[in-house]
Amino acid sequence: NAGVTQTPKFQVLKTGQSMTLQCAQDMNHEYMSWYRQDPGMGLRLIHYSVGAGITDQGEVPNGYNVSRSTTEDFPLRLLSAAPSQTSVYFCASTDGISGNTIYFGEGSWLTVV
Amino acid sequence: TQLLEQSPQFLSIQEGENLTVYCNSSSVFSSLQWYRQEPGEGPVLLVTVVTGGEVKKLKRLTFQFGDARKDSSLHITAAQPGDTGLYLCADNNAGNMLTFGGGTRLMVKP
Repeated sequence: NAGVTQTPKFQVLKTGQSMTLQCAQDMNHEYMSWYRQDPGMGLRLIHYSVGAGITDQGEVPNGYNVSRSTTEDFPLRLLSAAPSQTSVYFCASTDGISGNTIYFGEGSWLTVV
Repeated sequence: TQLLEQSPQFLSIQEGENLTVYCNSSSVFSSLQWYRQEPGEGPVLLVTVVTGGEVKKLKRLTFQFGDARKDSSLHITAAQPGDTGLYLCADNNAGNMLTFGGGTRLMVKP
């Protein structure tokens, strides 16, 4: 059982470049989300989705886009990378019942130079 | 905006010692969760508590939820090197939206 799979694991971007972080889950979960974790800090919610075709903004959405065309996939797009977006990005999924288990991917380490 | 504060930020102890870490919220928790995160990995759920005053035990870990549902503690008995990691508290307020504290980074030395 793969769970939540993120690619790439590591990426270096130049300022102004765009890229997409991929996230896929095989648990048929309706709810998916993206978080970023800066050094020594907890995770902050970027965007989330409650089902295919539905997305919404979290705490720190600026500079990021998402889409949810299928239940399985929830890609995160950086439109024009900035050094402030250097971070570790985590994708998560759950079946959506409050208090239930949220499953995280292993993270994508992004450096913007 | 809900703020979660965790203390201490860092803790370094010897194997066999006991420790307690704390999580305080600026508002009432919907559903409090504790996670542990190891280097290079995503957070892994340890426990969920919902009811004020609730106490849950997971082997050597004891989780307490304050009566007013605004604070929580995690106590580890006889810590082991395998307990090393980042401990995060979070409010799970809509099944998918987590608000995290800044974490307590624990190192247990052999």
